[in-house]
Amino acid sequence: QSVLTQPPSVSGAPGQRVTFSCTGSSSNIGAGYDVHWYQQLPGTAPKLLIYGNNNRPSGVPDRFSGSKSGTSASLAITGLQPEDEADYYCQSYDSSLSVVFGTGTKVTVL
Amino acid sequence: QVQLVQSGAEVKKPGASVKVSCKASGYTFTSYDINWVRLATGQGLEWMGWMNPNSGNTGHAQKFQGRVTMTRDTSIGTAYLELSSLRSEDTAVYYCARRNQWLAIDYWGQGTLVTVSS
Repeated sequence: QSVLTQPPSVSGAPGQRVTFSCTGSSSNIGAGYDVHWYQQLPGTAPKLLIYGNNNRPSGVPDRFSGSKSGTSASLAITGLQPEDEADYYCQSYDSSLSVVFGTGTKVTVL
Repeated sequence: QVQLVQSGAEVKKPGASVKVSCKASGYTFTSYDINWVRLATGQGLEWMGWMNPNSGNTGHAQKFQGRVTMTRDTSIGTAYLELSSLRSEDTAVYYCARRNQWLAIDYWGQGTLVTVSS
């Protein structure tokens, strides 16, 4: 039921940079709604990673950055570390102000 | 510090109902919306609905129309999610979460596993 599409998986070696997308439409991201990103480590609750497209909450390393353009958004992780291995979800809103999540991307550190 | 503490795991039979609680602390309960999100094994995060603890107003995903009820008790800073007519596909970890002024979900409960099995 997700209306935001993410690649199922991405991988990279420690120290590398990885990026992945969150693709929506004119009724959600393209309508001007902000995009937020969450990191979910195995067996734990999601954690807010990026809010308002490109803002980091206190305590989130600056290795994580977000951007938004048109009907899509992206998350970048620079200097990939083993502890970054997790599932990542984007989130926005649709025209009925319902929350919409992305399909999720599993990041693997090689 | 902000905390959301949820009730324990539940096992229910198909057709039954389940009620999950979420006790908030460390902030003014009535100042932030509470959202409910679930995660089934092998699936992604699925938004269920929101509640304004101040007014009691709610909104939910169309998928749960007629089956979901969100309530609160402001005297004890606790929100509740009730899901009825349970089926096996409702087996999941259910999270309550606070939505901030940026409309991002900034604090999450620890999750409650609901298992639906005959």
